[in-house]
Order: sequence, then C-alpha cells, then structure tokens
Amino acid sequence: KAGVTQTPRYLIKTRGQQVTLSCSPISGHRSVSWYQQTPGQGLQFLFEYFSETQRNKGNFPGRFSGRQFSNSRSEMNVSTLELGDSALYLCASSLASGGRREQYFGPGTRLTVT
Amino acid sequence: AQSVTQPDIHITVSEGASLELRCNYSYGATPYLFWYVQSPGQGLQLLLKYFSGDTLVQGIKGFEAEFKRSQSSFNLRKPSVHWSDAAEYFCAVVPQGGSEKLVFGKGTKLTVNP
Repeated sequence: KAGVTQTPRYLIKTRGQQVTLSCSPISGHRSVSWYQQTPGQGLQFLFEYFSETQRNKGNFPGRFSGRQFSNSRSEMNVSTLELGDSALYLCASSLASGGRREQYFGPGTRLTVT
Repeated sequence: AQSVTQPDIHITVSEGASLELRCNYSYGATPYLFWYVQSPGQGLQLLLKYFSGDTLVQGIKGFEAEFKRSQSSFNLRKPSVHWSDAAEYFCAVVPQGGSEKLVFGKGTKLTVNP
C-alpha cells in the first residue's frame, strides 16, 4: 500500500505570494492533519480534516487554510507569505479521527520564502 | 501551563550502548502518549504509543517506553543502539478530553558513534 504523498517536495516563493500544498493520504484513510515544522517553534499542529470537514484547528493566522476533497486528498493554502512561513510542512493521514488515531506522515514539503 | 518537555536536545551514544530518552508532560489528566522518530529528510514514523494498561510498552525497531504516572514521564529506551538509529526523536501527547490535537516536544537529536 502506498504511503502518504506530498507535492511538491520543495518550493521557493517570494514574500506576498500565496502557495498551495497537496497531500494524498493512504488509501482508505479519511483523516488528514497538517503540521508545520521549524527550527525555532518545532512541530506545530495546523489543522485536521475528516470526511471533508475541519475538525480541529491550531493557533495559526487566517492566512493558513485548508480543505479536503471527497477522495480524502487535502490541500493547504498559505496566502500573503511571510519570511517566517519558511518551514517543512508535514501531512499525516489516519483511518479515523480522535485522539488515539495512529497517524502516518508524509515526507513533507519544504517551503522557502525569500 | 500544559506542556511536553524533552530535557535533552542532543545525545551521543556509542553503537551497542544502551539508550534512554526522557520525556515529561504537564497535564491535569494523563494524556495519550506517543514517540515518533524522524530521520534526515524524512517524515515522522510512530515508534510506540500508550493509552492505558501495562506501563511498559513495546514498539518497533526494538524500542520500548515506560510510563510512570508519579513522575509524569514516558521515557524511551533501547538496550543496544545501532548506527541506523541516528535520528531525531519526538515525544508527543494528545490531552484527554481536549481538542485531540497532537502536541510535540522539541525533540532529541541522537548521534551514534561507531
């Protein structure tokens, strides 16, 4: 069974632009969560989608948004990029939602904002 | 404040030596507990998890962890480290009865000397 895939793997953008990252979960998984990883703040939860509905959201500004499609694929969008948005963005999928869910992580998208 | 603490930022051990990585949490009720590993350029992989029951948990790759309620700790151990274990290790929790968001510690980077 294929793992979680994220595209693109690397991205360079300029301040003020917007970006869309994509995540394809493991087949059959209905929950997708997004995380931001930076050297300073570590790993931080962005949001979780389950069956096309956002279930949880982290403490990030409204510039960060996401959605999930009927096939469980998910996208996250960051508008008006800032230098501080440079990070590794990780997507994780799981069969179900809830605190006990076992999350499988993709390799991440490395975003650099210049 | 609620938090997950990994006191050691960087640990170096010799191949074949034993390993213990520390994790402490500060939550009113015992949260769900997880250990993840991240190899360079990779996403995170779940090593083991604890929800309730037997306080010694076995995971993949020969790792185990012990939950100690009195110390609010969930330390990760391995009897004999292999060079391939060099990676960054993250302790994570999901607070029970809360938002079900996964909260990560800052991570411990493990270097293995030959």
